[in-house]
Amino acid sequence: AQSVTQLGSHVSVSEGALVLLRCNYSSSVPPYLFWYVQYPNQGLQLLLKYTSAATLVKGINGFEAEFKKSETSFHLTKPSAHMSDAAEYFCAVSEGSGGYNKLIFGAGTRLAVHP
Amino acid sequence: GAGVSQSPRYKVAKRGQDVALRCDPISGHVSLFWYQQALGQGPEFLTYFQNEAQLDKSGLPSDRFFAERPEGSVSTLKIQRTQQEDSAVYLCASSLPRQEDSNQPQHFGDGTRLSIL
Repeated sequence: AQSVTQLGSHVSVSEGALVLLRCNYSSSVPPYLFWYVQYPNQGLQLLLKYTSAATLVKGINGFEAEFKKSETSFHLTKPSAHMSDAAEYFCAVSEGSGGYNKLIFGAGTRLAVHP
Repeated sequence: GAGVSQSPRYKVAKRGQDVALRCDPISGHVSLFWYQQALGQGPEFLTYFQNEAQLDKSGLPSDRFFAERPEGSVSTLKIQRTQQEDSAVYLCASSLPRQEDSNQPQHFGDGTRLSIL
């Protein structure tokens, strides 16, 4: 079975600093990987997805993630944090069979951005 | 915009009561998923529909949980004889069908926060 591990349940950065949120996956087949963001009392919004077309994936709001097969990692980065980036971030791997894919989520990382 | 709509947003029920949670997916999305998100955790898969067919219910925690999508559009998640451990946010997501060499992203609703007293 596939799984996702997010290192660090809480990350705190200063406004303007680099954001790095870690995600490692376990999969026996080439994975589909996703990053979602969740703001308080809202659903999940897709930030970006990896589908094997390119190892460096650019998403919305200035975020990007790099797929590294050798490290089984898919870390999320943003060069300069903004106050509005404060939210919960979830990494997910898609587990598929029978023509559909269900998402397996990590436990999440709460990002705090301080002035 | 016509996103995934869930109702009610908040539901409080007494232990032992039955509850029904509604999901209205994006028009044209044949795939519909339900997830359960406990406090401080990531969402966990409950069940999947392709049109009106429930193809996977492996994540439903007990036979008290029941989901349906009779006309292939709106879906209802029903929990019978609720217990305190059912307290969670229930998220619905919809997507286009999976493609051979790609993966359609799932679009999530804002969820229903269920509190069992």
